[in-house]
Amino acid sequence: AQSVTQLDSQVPVFEEAPVELRCNYSSSVSVYLFWYVQYPNQGLQLLLKYLSGSTLVKSINGFEAEFNKSQTSFHLRKPSVHISDTAEYFCAVTPTNDYKLSFGAGTTVTVRA
Amino acid sequence: EAQVTQNPRYLITVTGKKLTVTCSQNMNHEYMSWYRQDPGLGLRQIYYSMNVEVTDKGDVPEGYKVSRKEKRNFPLILESPSPNQTSLYFCASSLSRGRLNYGYTFGSGTRLTVV
Repeated sequence: AQSVTQLDSQVPVFEEAPVELRCNYSSSVSVYLFWYVQYPNQGLQLLLKYLSGSTLVKSINGFEAEFNKSQTSFHLRKPSVHISDTAEYFCAVTPTNDYKLSFGAGTTVTVRA
Repeated sequence: EAQVTQNPRYLITVTGKKLTVTCSQNMNHEYMSWYRQDPGLGLRQIYYSMNVEVTDKGDVPEGYKVSRKEKRNFPLILESPSPNQTSLYFCASSLSRGRLNYGYTFGSGTRLTVV
């Protein structure tokens, strides 16, 4: 079985400041890793994913995450946030030989002007 | 437009009154799943289906039923709802392609209140 720990439940940040959301996972098998974003009153949208290859993955709106196998981490970063980045962010993991997606508890990012 | 459609978006019901939340996807996805989202707990899987007539329990299946008679539909059934099933529910689907997981597509959610 796999599990996901998001180390921060709430992250307040000022506009144009950098942000990092921490995610650690545990699994006895190889995994794929995902970050999903949930804007207020909406469903979840895939932000980025790591399946294989380069350990640094990027989204179209400036987020990036780095897979660190030795530290079993998949932290999400953005160098400069906007008000529109206010949302809840979920880290998720699935075994490479299965389709069950296990989620962390979520991190709420609030961006203030 | 490729999407997962859930209905209803909001539902208030009374304890013990059977209800069904519908989920339909138009992407010919093989894999479908139901999750519930509760504050501080993230999303927890209720049931999933690998294909038509193939369903299995997730982490929190008690009090729920599902069926997969057609590939596009995956309804969630609460035979006798209780207040602890008050939650935000999401249906999701995924394209199964070999061993690669292309991520899930989520519906917009159903907010259920059981009084």
